[in-house]
Amino acid sequence: DAGVIQSPRHEVTEMGQEVTLRCKPISGHNSLFWYRQTMMRGLELLIYFNNNVPIDDSGMPEDRFSAKMPNASFSTLKIQPSEPRDSAVYFCASSLGALNEQFFGPGTRLTVL
Amino acid sequence: DAKTTQPNSMESNEEEPVHLPCNHSTISGTDYIHWYRQLPSQGPEYVIHGLTSNVNNRMASLAIAEDRKSSTLILHRATLRDAAVYYCILRSTLNAGGTSYGKLTFGQGTILTVHP
Repeated sequence: DAGVIQSPRHEVTEMGQEVTLRCKPISGHNSLFWYRQTMMRGLELLIYFNNNVPIDDSGMPEDRFSAKMPNASFSTLKIQPSEPRDSAVYFCASSLGALNEQFFGPGTRLTVL
Repeated sequence: DAKTTQPNSMESNEEEPVHLPCNHSTISGTDYIHWYRQLPSQGPEYVIHGLTSNVNNRMASLAIAEDRKSSTLILHRATLRDAAVYYCILRSTLNAGGTSYGKLTFGQGTILTVHP
């Protein structure tokens, strides 16, 4: 099993640019989560999808952030426009069932200059 | 979300057992106790979880106090590969959009250092 796949692994961009992070969950998993990790705030849940539908987006910091899940095998997290304070490691996780253990991807390290 | 309290750091020697404590005095009856760990430059990894009874799996054991206000993750023989940040999490069940899901709220965790 390939596990959760995220791309890119590293992204460096300039303030004001659009950034798109990608995630492929484990095949057969119907729950998908996006997290953000910073030194100051630790790991925070941004949004949760169940069967491709956004269920809880209360953790999305502001309107500059958006997430989509067009099908069961692909999700994106977009930041437009990006700001330096968005610099963080973004993790995608999936689970089989919304109450079961979550499997995390390797993360995308985003640096906004 | 109910909070957990863990020591900032702990040290162990290789091949010795490690007991990682966690306090969660405000735990509710439906909260599951989850442990995840994060190795350097990797995403978090599930370790174990339980509700009331002690649990064992191939990675570790989880000892839960009778009043559920504290728990201990036990690594029976630490290896260098066990060096990581260990998170004790109370998984709350939330209802949103007509479905229930388990929300993980990560704290700062315990940095475990394993000496050769």
